[in-house]
Amino acid sequence: EIVLTQSPGTLSLSPGERATLSCRISQSISSSNLAWYQQKPGQPPRLLIFGASSRATGIPDRFSGSGSGTDFTLTISRLEPEDFAVYYCQQYGGSLYTFGQGTKLEIK
Amino acid sequence: QVHLQESGPGLVRPSGTLSLTCAVSGGSVSSSNWWSWVRQPPGKGLEWIGEVYHSGTTNYNPSLKSRVTMSVDKSKNHLSLEVSSVTAADTAVYYCAKSIAGAIGFDYWGQGTLVTVSS
Repeated sequence: EIVLTQSPGTLSLSPGERATLSCRISQSISSSNLAWYQQKPGQPPRLLIFGASSRATGIPDRFSGSGSGTDFTLTISRLEPEDFAVYYCQQYGGSLYTFGQGTKLEIK
Repeated sequence: QVHLQESGPGLVRPSGTLSLTCAVSGGSVSSSNWWSWVRQPPGKGLEWIGEVYHSGTTNYNPSLKSRVTMSVDKSKNHLSLEVSSVTAADTAVYYCAKSIAGAIGFDYWGQGTLVTVSS
């Protein structure tokens, strides 16, 4: 089974700062099989990025995804107050989806 | 705009069967999309349970495969999930979600329903 490891577990930043979230995969995957989500308390996850770097409909351009193989990154260029949430990466392979354990982005 | 709404009992007895439905509006379960179920134990991360296509084809998470059944009801435009032999470890918020067309990712999610397994 492919394992996704997200780091850091918690990231403390201030509005206006840049956030860099990492997702490391236990084996190389196609970039087309990597997605990122944002989840706020009491809400379902919201798709941000699919195909490692394509923004989903309605997602602001301060969110960007990059990476390939086993290392992928979600970058939020300038944090807005509404960006503080938990972020998950997700991969698909062998007819199985798996999620990372999440990175909590909190206000410093 | 696709809207998904999960429903079902909020409390299930241990060793019983958890049964949920997901009503789809603004779209059709017969469209060329896969439909997934995802769960999230309180305070924890996301776990994919499995997916179903309108043809009835399914893919399940191997960790749950022996206890899970998913189906599509085209006449009612809804999805169904059953998880048998439940334990407290199955206590979670259960979500249904739609796969984005032609790509990997779930672009529409229901609000989720909390199912507690307890006697």
